[in-house]
Amino acid sequence: DAEITQSPRHKITETGRQVTLACHQTWNHNNMFWYRQDLGHGLRLIHYSYGVQDTNKGEVSDGYSVSRSNTEDLPLTLESAASSQTSVYFCASSPALAGGNEQYFGPGTRLTVT
Amino acid sequence: AQSVTQLGSHVSVSEGALVLLRCNYSSSVPPYLFWYVQYPNQGLQLLLKYTSAATLVKGINGFEAEFKKSETSFHLTKPSAHMSDAAEYFCAVSTGGGNKLTFGTGTQLKVEL
Repeated sequence: DAEITQSPRHKITETGRQVTLACHQTWNHNNMFWYRQDLGHGLRLIHYSYGVQDTNKGEVSDGYSVSRSNTEDLPLTLESAASSQTSVYFCASSPALAGGNEQYFGPGTRLTVT
Repeated sequence: AQSVTQLGSHVSVSEGALVLLRCNYSSSVPPYLFWYVQYPNQGLQLLLKYTSAATLVKGINGFEAEFKKSETSFHLTKPSAHMSDAAEYFCAVSTGGGNKLTFGTGTQLKVEL
């Protein structure tokens, strides 16, 4: 069965370190998204991609970057981790069809920055 | 710009009672609307979606939602709550190309005996 996976599931890192969260999907979807989930804020869009070599900033992109070298993967990098980036991170994908398509979510990565 | 407001961050119902979770949206163009459910320590799972066909949408686990354009609402209901419905529920809106979603802040549903 097609799926979307994230790794690691839990990560503890120190302030100032670079961290990369992996996202891999086998749906063959062109669209991929990264969100962070925080109490009182719901899910907020960090970055998204509509295909290989395409990346776009979301509403909370400062301090984060992504790259898309193939269809299956969209790794999220925190260039210099800050305590404000402690959160749960979700990756999602959707087909590149006309609007109204749901997104399929991964299980999440809980990141703690100390 | 699009936005979603979910009234009530916490809702508590008795088992067997009606579940009503409220969602109001703001959009300058006809929206696509979604309800997702999140169980503890899991990702989000689609419950149902509105894509401009029928205004009453039926989803999984006995949930349904009605799109009311005049009220800019898309409330989620279930006639009889079950203990397994305890979870967090998110309403989301998309306005087409690219399928970008804007989420509400979520409603935590508690089901009591």
